[in-house]
Parts: sequence; C-alpha cells; structure tokens
Amino acid sequence: GNSVTQMEGPVTLSEEAFLTINCTYTATGYPSLFWYVQYPGEGLQLLLKATKADDKGSNKGFEATYRKETTSFHLEKGSVQVSDSAVYFCAGSARQLTFGSGTQLTVLP
Amino acid sequence: DAGVIQSPRHEVTEMGQEVTLRCKPISGHNSLFWYRQTMMRGLELLIYFNNNVPIDDSGMPEDRFSAKMPNASFSTLKIQPSEPRDSAVYFCASSFRSGAAGANVLTFGAGSRLTVL
Repeated sequence: GNSVTQMEGPVTLSEEAFLTINCTYTATGYPSLFWYVQYPGEGLQLLLKATKADDKGSNKGFEATYRKETTSFHLEKGSVQVSDSAVYFCAGSARQLTFGSGTQLTVLP
Repeated sequence: DAGVIQSPRHEVTEMGQEVTLRCKPISGHNSLFWYRQTMMRGLELLIYFNNNVPIDDSGMPEDRFSAKMPNASFSTLKIQPSEPRDSAVYFCASSFRSGAAGANVLTFGAGSRLTVL
C-alpha cells in the first residue's frame, strides 16, 4: 500500500533560519505529492504540490521537489518567520490521499 | 465561496450521549471526506464519499460511528453512544475528483472539537 513518512518533530528554529522537513513516500505508480500546513485552531490547507517527477512546488517561500530516484519530497524554506509556526503534513496520492504524521514547527523571534 | 463549513466548532458532551457533526462542502465538489485528528494517532481518514455515495468506510472505528450524505451539499457524522476515547478534532474536507486520476486537492473545514466527559 501507499505510505508517507516524514521527519519527526517538534522542530524549533530561530527567525531567518533555514528549514528542511524530510518526507519520503512508498507507492505503486507515481503519486501526486503535497505539503499541507495547519495553523493553530484551523484545518489543514494546501501549501504546495507536485504532480510528477522533477516538478517543483513552491508557495510563500516554501519549496519542495518531487525526486523519483530517492522517493522524496522534502520541504525547504530559506528564511523562516515567526508566522510560519504551524504543523506541516506531507501527503501523497495515487487514488487516495495518505498523510504523514505531521511535523510541529516553532519559530522563535 | 465560504469554504467547507463545519458545525459545531466545539462540543462537550457526556459519555453515552449522541453526537452529530455536520459538514457543508464547497459547491461543485463531488468528493467529501471525514477525518479524525488526535495527538496519539494523528490524522485518520474515517470515510469518504464520491457523488454522495460512501466509497470507503474502512476507517470508521466501530458501529457506534455512522456517516451520511443525503445530498451534494450536506453530510453528517454521528457517534452513538459517545465515549471519552472519541474525544478528538473531526475534520470534513471536500474536493473535485475527475475520473480515475486520483485524489485532487482537498479543502478542509476548520474542524469540530469534540470532548466526551
């Protein structure tokens, strides 16, 4: 079956630090890959996506590249802000969307 | 569009009581999903509907849980009788799925936080 494994949290960074949250997937075929973000007290919302190998998704300074050879979709941001504090979920879909366990990010001023 | 609308936002009830959670998906979306989120188990898919028909309910914990979608603009998740271990945040999400191409982008509601005492 399909599964998504993402880096365990929590992650605490200082403002303007570089962020990487690792995500790898196992699937039959080539799933679409997503990063969702959940701010406190809210539902999940789409951050970015990639639908095929070598695609790069980007939004709000965040990026992730669909790497077929390493089955990875790591989330990166060059300079995090306090407002980026949230829980980040990696997800993949062939026919059904499968979520990772989530990574709590806290950015300190 | 107002997005996916869930009610109530918060519910506190006593063990044994019936709980009904409601969801209005985005107009035009043809797939609806119910998820449960807890610290221990993370995000779990309970059930999803396509064109108002339940497709996969394998995530529903037990017979105490039931879900309906009588029309394209409304769904309910019912727990009867409720137990303390049902305490969680329940999310509804909707999407437009075209053919067999796989899951498209989900839009989530703000969630219903259930506390069973």
